[in-house]
Amino acid sequence: GENVEQHPSTLSVQEGDSAVIKCTYSDSASNYFPWYKQELGKRPQLIIDIRSNVGEKKDQRIAVTLNKTAKHFSLHITETQPEDSAVYFCAASKGNQFYFGTGTSLTVIP
Amino acid sequence: DTAVSQTPKYLVTQMGNDKSIKCEQNLGHDTMYWYKQDSKKFLKIMFSYNNKELIINETVPNRFSPKSPDKAHLNLHINSLELGDSAVYFCASSPRGETQYFGPGTRLLVL
Repeated sequence: GENVEQHPSTLSVQEGDSAVIKCTYSDSASNYFPWYKQELGKRPQLIIDIRSNVGEKKDQRIAVTLNKTAKHFSLHITETQPEDSAVYFCAASKGNQFYFGTGTSLTVIP
Repeated sequence: DTAVSQTPKYLVTQMGNDKSIKCEQNLGHDTMYWYKQDSKKFLKIMFSYNNKELIINETVPNRFSPKSPDKAHLNLHINSLELGDSAVYFCASSPRGETQYFGPGTRLLVL
């Protein structure tokens, strides 16, 4: 089955700096890669996703890159703000099968 | 008009009891899931149902059993609760191959 690894497990950045979270996957058949943000006590919510036929996608301060050959994808947050503090999960999916990474706890220091 | 709803939101119970968590989605999605999130925040998939058929069972204890009366509902029954079952349980739904929409979670505490 699929194995998704996520790094780092914790990340602290100063407000205004950039944050990068990286994930690798093992199954080359995975074709959908969403990122979720989970605030304390809340449910995970989709923030951005990318499909295997696209190398990069951007939505305001958030971007995701995908390298299919190396089987890794990354989340980039620019100009971080305190409200970006949360746990972020990557996932790899094919069909109905979703595999989540272990999460990254991001703290943005004002 | 909540998309994915779960009840109850909180559940406190004694070891050995049997309990159920209900989940409903009004998005018309074909697939529903149950996840367990422990204190370390790991999201572990437990079950998924597609058109009322179990398609993933991640070797969870057989004390846990999903029940899907129809496409919009996936309930989770837990027998003989143990201390280690304490966690947050999330229900989710998705159209095939698309993103998942999570419910608000059920916080289970076993005493």
